[in-house]
Order: sequence, then C-alpha cells, then structure tokens
Amino acid sequence: GENVEQHPSTLSVQEGDSAVIKCTYSDSASNYFPWYKQELGKRPQLIIDIRSNVGEKKDQRIAVTLNKTAKHFSLHITETQPEDSAVYFCAASSTGTASKLTFGTGTRLQVTL
Amino acid sequence: GAGVSQSPSNKVTEKGKDVELRCDPISGHTALYWYRQSLGQGLEFLIYFQGNSAPDKSGLPSDRFSAERTGGSVSTLTIQRTQQEDSAVYLCASSLVTGLNTEAFFGQGTRLTVV
Repeated sequence: GENVEQHPSTLSVQEGDSAVIKCTYSDSASNYFPWYKQELGKRPQLIIDIRSNVGEKKDQRIAVTLNKTAKHFSLHITETQPEDSAVYFCAASSTGTASKLTFGTGTRLQVTL
Repeated sequence: GAGVSQSPSNKVTEKGKDVELRCDPISGHTALYWYRQSLGQGLEFLIYFQGNSAPDKSGLPSDRFSAERTGGSVSTLTIQRTQQEDSAVYLCASSLVTGLNTEAFFGQGTRLTVV
C-alpha cells in the first residue's frame, strides 16, 4: 500500500518568513495530493490540493508543488502570519480500489512574532 | 446538517467497559474513514469503507476494535473492554469518490477518556 513520509515534524519561523513542508510517497499510481490544516482543538480541514496532471498550484500565500518523477510534493507558505500556526498534514491517494487517503505524520508549524 | 457529524462529542468510560462511537457522513459520500488522534500526535488510520467493497481494517490496533457501516451510510466504531491507552480523539471523515478523488471532510471528533 501507499506510504507517505512528511518532514519536518516541527517547524518554527518568524512572522513574515516562508515555511516549506515536504512529503514523499511510494505508490507511483497516486494522483491526488491534498494538504490539511488542523488548528488546536479543531478538526483537520483541506487548504489546498493538487492532482498529478499539474506541477504547481497557488492560492494566495499558499502553494503546492508536485514532482511525480521523484514522488514528492511540497507545501509553501509565504509571508507567514501567527494564524498560520497549526499542524499540517499531507496525504496521497489514487483512484479505484486504491482510493484510500494515506496521511503523513504531520508538521507542527509555529509562527513567532 | 451538511457536514460530518459524530456522537457523542465526549465520552468518559470506566476501564473494561465497551463503547460505541457514531459517525454520520455527508449524504452521498461513498468513502468513510476512522482515525485516532492522541494528544499532540498525528492521524492514526483505523479503518476505511468504500462503497460495497470489503473494508480496509489494516489499521485496527487489536481485536477489541471493530466498525460497521450500515446501508452505506452511518458507521459505528466499537471498542470492547476499553483500556486507558484507548483514550484519544476519534475522528471520522467522509469523501465522495468518483473518477477524480475529492476532499475528505472530517467530523468534530469524539474525545474518549478511559478512567
């Protein structure tokens, strides 16, 4: 089955700096890669996703890149703000019988003033 | 409601008792997941239901854990003879699986405390 590795496990950046979280996956059939944000005491929520037919996707200060050859994808947050502090999870899935979402272990991002 | 609903929100039980946790997915969603999240930890996969396929139970930690999904909708996670290490937040999620995978929506979770 799919295996998703995520790093770093914790990340501290100063407000205004950029943050990058990286994930690798094992199943070359995976074609859907969402990112979830979980604020303290709340449920995980989708912030951005990318499919294998594109290499990069942006939404305001958030971008995700995908390298299918190397089987890795990354989340980039620019101009970080205190409200970006949360745990971020990457995930990967394929279609059909392999459609189960497999999550990474999470990255705790702390944005300091 | 429009979202994934879990009940109860909180459950305190004595060690050795059985508990049932309920998940009402979004109507029409064919995929349903259960995860366990201990304090400050990641999402531990428990079980996955997809349509009429046999569930993927590979994440269940012991035979004390079981889950059902009746009629392709509501799911119940049962923990028998609870232990203190079962204390965690149990999250349910559902998604609409078609030719293109889509977002998984999470419920608010059930916080289980075994005393």
